[in-house]
Amino acid sequence: GAVVSQHPSWVICKSGTSVKIECRSLDFQATTMFWYRQFPKQSLMLMATSNEGSKATYEQGVEKDKFLINHASLTLSTLTVTSAHPEDSSFYICSAREGEGTYEQYFGPGTRLTVT
Amino acid sequence: GQSLEQPSEVTAVEGAIVQINCTYQTSGFYGLSWYQQHDGGAPTFLSYNALDGLEETGRFSSFLSRSDSYGYLLLQELQMKDSASYFCAVRTGFQKLVFGTGTRLLVSP
Repeated sequence: GAVVSQHPSWVICKSGTSVKIECRSLDFQATTMFWYRQFPKQSLMLMATSNEGSKATYEQGVEKDKFLINHASLTLSTLTVTSAHPEDSSFYICSAREGEGTYEQYFGPGTRLTVT
Repeated sequence: GQSLEQPSEVTAVEGAIVQINCTYQTSGFYGLSWYQQHDGGAPTFLSYNALDGLEETGRFSSFLSRSDSYGYLLLQELQMKDSASYFCAVRTGFQKLVFGTGTRLLVSP
């Protein structure tokens, strides 16, 4: 089946620093990738949708200058949390969609970010 | 706005049958999906209903009534490993998924 990986699986950073999270589709080309945020015991909230080679589309209320998304290739998307603050601590999950003719999303294992 | 409501927690014993309901109110509707998520893990796809009726996949079945904006996930012959969170999700567009509030299922021996 389609596999999506994320790196790192967990990261601790100091307040004010930036953190980059990678999302890779391992055995398929992902024309579209999605980034979600999940707070403890809560639902997944879509942050942004990124299509390879174009700018990401952010959901209402998500600061695009704080959460930088780059989808430079068909197998890699990155999320950079800039000037992180403790309230950014969360579980970040990416998903990927293969091709234009399918709507199913395959989810990565998530990245636990803790900002101290 | 978009809202998908689920019970917050359901408990059951091994071997039992449990139903997790989902009522939704969204600006678009293409279909209803169900995902399972173990603590600290990725959501895994369980089922998808685009049309009214029941879809059966092994021990899991999913039902949709578009006229009632309602669906449910039915889990049969519960096992301890089924203890997890379950999310319904509406596909509101070709690409976008909106997730429900999630239901924590606790299966006891």
